[in-house]
Amino acid sequence: DIVMTQSPATLSVSPGERATLSCRASQSVARNLAWYQQKPGQAPRLLIYDASTKATGIPARFSGSGSATEFTLTILSLQSEDFAVYYCQQYNNWPQTFGQGTKVEI
Amino acid sequence: QVTLRESGPALVKPTQTLTLTCTFSGFSLNTNGMCVSWIRQPPGKALEWLALIDWEDDKYYSTSLKTRLTISKDTSKNQVVLRMTHMDPVDTATYYCARREKSSGWSYDFWGQGTLVTVSS
Repeated sequence: DIVMTQSPATLSVSPGERATLSCRASQSVARNLAWYQQKPGQAPRLLIYDASTKATGIPARFSGSGSATEFTLTILSLQSEDFAVYYCQQYNNWPQTFGQGTKVEI
Repeated sequence: QVTLRESGPALVKPTQTLTLTCTFSGFSLNTNGMCVSWIRQPPGKALEWLALIDWEDDKYYSTSLKTRLTISKDTSKNQVVLRMTHMDPVDTATYYCARREKSSGWSYDFWGQGTLVTVSS
């Protein structure tokens, strides 16, 4: 199975600052990678797919980049509603696998 | 609009079989490119992908759990069912069903609200 490793585990930022989250795959997943946001008590929400394509309704401050084994989710000018846990997921190989998550906290 | 809803027992005993149903609306599993997966999340832990069924009735399973899982669909009822045998307390988790569709790059664009399953005697 492909192992997805996210770093850091916790990211402490202030509102208005930029957040940069990393996701590394144990082998190439091409650009078949998605990012999800999850708030407490809620289901995950799709933010980015195909490494850099924003899902419907996702604000412009969210962006994704990368390919093969290294991926980044960037959140410009963090808003209060952005404090959550973020997961990456590869869908290049079976079985699909998720990272362990990065918690973005104030 | 697209909705998914999970249903099933909130409590199961160790060694029992869990059966969960995902009832969806707003799309058809007969449509080319449409899939539904089950994904779970133990309390305070990360998401874990379990199984997927697609429009051609192809099925895919988690490597570590494939001997215990069966996924099936009833397109006439717009339902996907997951069976997990030999339940153990470590299987306590919120179980989600989610739609995967090629126009969203094969990612999960719609999710159910999840159902918490506790395994305890």
